Amino acid sequence: SQQGEEDPQALSIQEGENATMNCSYKTSINNLQWYRQNSGRGLVHLILIRSNEREKHSGRLRVTLDTSKKSSSLLITASRAADTASYFCATDGANSKLTFGKGITLSVRP
Amino acid sequence: DTEVTQTPKHLVMGMTNKKSLKCEQHMGHRAMYWYKQKAKKPPELMFVYSYEKLSINESVPSRFSPECPNSSLLNLHLHALQPEDSALYLCASTQLAGTDTQYFGPGTRLTVL
Repeated sequence: SQQGEEDPQALSIQEGENATMNCSYKTSINNLQWYRQNSGRGLVHLILIRSNEREKHSGRLRVTLDTSKKSSSLLITASRAADTASYFCATDGANSKLTFGKGITLSVRP
Repeated sequence: DTEVTQTPKHLVMGMTNKKSLKCEQHMGHRAMYWYKQKAKKPPELMFVYSYEKLSINESVPSRFSPECPNSSLLNLHLHALQPEDSALYLCASTQLAGTDTQYFGPGTRLTVL
């Protein structure tokens, strides 16, 4: 069963704009990760935020985590056409398993 | 070297064929994973190997048979597949079995005719 649910399901923005994607989950977690997947390719790890962290930055990425609301957001600033991809949040669970959300399709128009 | 490689990139097979997918990593990771991903869906975990031993089998049909010959290699043997098994098969690895950063290969696009 899926733990994370991303919102929105699809997002289309102009190059240079910021993109915000949200992920909600149901049970308690140790960490939450965001991955990017270009069409038909493998997933690329973007960032991991632990349950005792509230915010994390990596380049143009900013991730927040609100464990009280069981939600996380991924902000991509100054988007580029190359950011066009699917984005998945993933939460840890029992038995060393990651559970992925349904994914968000981001399109960045040049 | 932070790369996970998978071969072949594409595979077309009939329902009576036997084929194998291969995954390799040289990062010294001791946990390796197989995922299946259908179009516009998230990856679904199939198998987890930890220290070359199968630790998780997500109730995968026996027509999929995983094998971990050594700490760097992971195979997925395919036999008598169905058309609905057509998907992108992804391999991943982590330093230890757990839920930290997973390093994914580019996947094998499998089509079953």
